[in-house]
Amino acid sequence: GAGVSQSPRYKVAKRGQDVALRCDPISGHVSLFWYQQALGQGPEFLTYFQNEAQLDKSGLPSDRFFAERPEGSVSTLKIQRTQQEDSAVYLCASSPLVGVSAGVEQFFGPGTRLTVL
Amino acid sequence: GESVGLHLPTLSVQEGDNSIINCAYSNSASDYFIWYKQESGKGPQFIIDIRSNMDKRQGQRVTVLLNKTVKHLSLQIAATQPGDSAVYFCAETSTSGTYKYIFGTGTRLKVLA
Repeated sequence: GAGVSQSPRYKVAKRGQDVALRCDPISGHVSLFWYQQALGQGPEFLTYFQNEAQLDKSGLPSDRFFAERPEGSVSTLKIQRTQQEDSAVYLCASSPLVGVSAGVEQFFGPGTRLTVL
Repeated sequence: GESVGLHLPTLSVQEGDNSIINCAYSNSASDYFIWYKQESGKGPQFIIDIRSNMDKRQGQRVTVLLNKTVKHLSLQIAATQPGDSAVYFCAETSTSGTYKYIFGTGTRLKVLA
C-alpha cells in the first residue's frame, strides 16, 4: 500500500538554477494538489489538477513556477531561475475525490525540501 | 526528519492530560474546516473535519469545536499520548467552488512523559 511519494526528498540549488520536483500520487487518485510550506508556516496552496487538467493555478507565486501532469498520474513542479525566497518544503497531495471534496480525503506526501543558496 | 517549524506556538502537556489547541480562521465565508497533524519529516495527516452547520464533532479521542461568531476553532485531544506530539494545523475552505484550503500557522504539541 504505497502512499504519495515525492522525489527528491532534499534539493539544494544555486540561485538561478532550474529545479524539477516530482510527485507520484496514489494509484487511481484523480485529484492532485501542490502546496508550498515555508519554515514555521502552514502549507500554502499552489495548484490543483483533476486528472491531467490543471483547473486552478492561482496559487503559483510567479511565472517561474510551472506544474504539469501530462498523463493524469505523475506530476512535476518546475521552478525556473530559483530565488532564495523559493526555499521551502513543497508538498504534494492526492485524493480519489474531485473538486472541493478532494480536501476531505487528501493524502500528503513527505515533501521535498528545497534550499536555494 | 526535518522540522516543520522552529518558532511555532508550543503547547506542552503532561501525558494523560487533555490538550486544547486553538485556531482563529480568517474568512467568514469559510464553511468547511479540517484539523491536520504533521509529524517531523512527514506531510500533514487528516485528523477530523467539521462543517459550518455544526458546532461540535467528535472522533476517537478528538473533538473539534467551531464558534462561527468569533471565527474560532479548537481541537481537543483526550488523554494525550507521546504519539500525539506533532504540529497541528487547522485548514479552512469555502465549498462554493474553490479548491483552495487556507492553513493556519500551526501549533506544536509537546507531550511530556
